[in-house]
Amino acid sequence: EAGVTQFPSHSVIEKGQTVTLRCDPISGHDNLYWYRRVMGKEIKFLLHFVKESKQDESGMPNNRFLAERTGGTYSTLKVQPAELEDSGVYFCASSLFNQPQHFGDGTRLSIL
Amino acid sequence: QQQVKQSPQSLIVQKGGISIINCAYENTAFDYFPWYQQFPGKGPALLIAIRPDVSEKKEGRFTISFNKSAKQFSLHIMDSQPGDSATYFCAAPGRYNFNKFYFGSGTKLNVKP
Repeated sequence: EAGVTQFPSHSVIEKGQTVTLRCDPISGHDNLYWYRRVMGKEIKFLLHFVKESKQDESGMPNNRFLAERTGGTYSTLKVQPAELEDSGVYFCASSLFNQPQHFGDGTRLSIL
Repeated sequence: QQQVKQSPQSLIVQKGGISIINCAYENTAFDYFPWYQQFPGKGPALLIAIRPDVSEKKEGRFTISFNKSAKQFSLHIMDSQPGDSATYFCAAPGRYNFNKFYFGSGTKLNVKP
């Protein structure tokens, strides 16, 4: 069984540019989550999809972040325009209903 | 809201020793506390989890101890091996949302040969 896949693994962009991160969950997992870890700090929840619906987006930092999950399969997280404080590792996770979350390897985002 | 405090930030243990990492949480209506293990360049992988109808859960060399009244839980790694060197995260579910996990800040474990 393929795990959670994230693209790209690394992204380096300049402040003000746009970046789109992609996550492919484990097949059959209706629940999809986005998390972020800023250097040395805790892994912070961003949002939770159930199929294509946003169940909880209370962790999204501001309106420069937009997450979508059209068709309830893969998800994208767009940052526009990117700011320096957006640098960090963005993790995606997926799960079955009320089951453990499985994480991808993350996208390391660097804003210059 | 929920806050999870994890300590220590880093830990050096000799091969064969016991590694102990502690976590404390504030509030949750749900009883499920996982520990994740992360190797460099990889995502966190579920290591072991406890549903505190028991105060302890053991899987091989890894044991979770849970103290519900103190709102604390800890990970013990017995007979620590160099291959255990990784960053460990504890997590607790949110107060109102089981699927919204709050993570500790991580403990970087280095097991010396």
